[in-house]
Amino acid sequence: AQSVTQLDSQVPVFEEAPVELRCNYSSSVSVYLFWYVQYPNQGLQLLLKYLSGSTLVKGINGFEAEFNKSQTSFHLRKPSVHISDTAEYFCAVSSIQAGTALIFGKGTTLSVSS
Amino acid sequence: SAVISQKPSRDICQRGTSLTIQCQVDSQVTMMFWYRQQPGQSLTLIATANQGSEATYESGFVIDKFPISRPNLTFSTLTVSNMSPEDSSIYLCSVERAGETQYFGPGTRLLVL
Repeated sequence: AQSVTQLDSQVPVFEEAPVELRCNYSSSVSVYLFWYVQYPNQGLQLLLKYLSGSTLVKGINGFEAEFNKSQTSFHLRKPSVHISDTAEYFCAVSSIQAGTALIFGKGTTLSVSS
Repeated sequence: SAVISQKPSRDICQRGTSLTIQCQVDSQVTMMFWYRQQPGQSLTLIATANQGSEATYESGFVIDKFPISRPNLTFSTLTVSNMSPEDSSIYLCSVERAGETQYFGPGTRLLVL
């Protein structure tokens, strides 16, 4: 079984500041890792994913994440945030076996102010 | 990616009634899932919708409360039966592409009075 812990429930930042949203996972099997974003009153949009290969993955809207196997982490970063990045961010994990469901963290609310 | 639509997008229902939510995908997919997102919470998997056989439910979810149909590889429905205010949530369907990535529909926002 897998589990995901998002270490911060809320992250307030000012516009153009860097941000890091932290995610740790637990699993007894190999996993895929994902970050999804949910804008207010919208569905989930895939930001980026780690399947294999390079541990630094780049996603949409200038976000990137680094997979650290030894620390079982998959933190999300952006060097300079915009007001429009205000949203709920979910880290998720699934086993590499096809057809398995996603296990989500509880989410981090990113609030960007001017 | 995948283009996924859900109907209705939102609804307000009376307790004791049932609502059927539809999920349509733009092309055939093997795996479809239904999730629930309660207010201010993360997503929880309700069930895996299997084409041609009964859905596979997660612990805490039962077929009598959440019957699911999957008549073909592009369509599924989730019914929320005998609703109570505790069923007020966002219900999302998702599909798996390329054996590893799930894409989500826009969700159905349900309020039960």
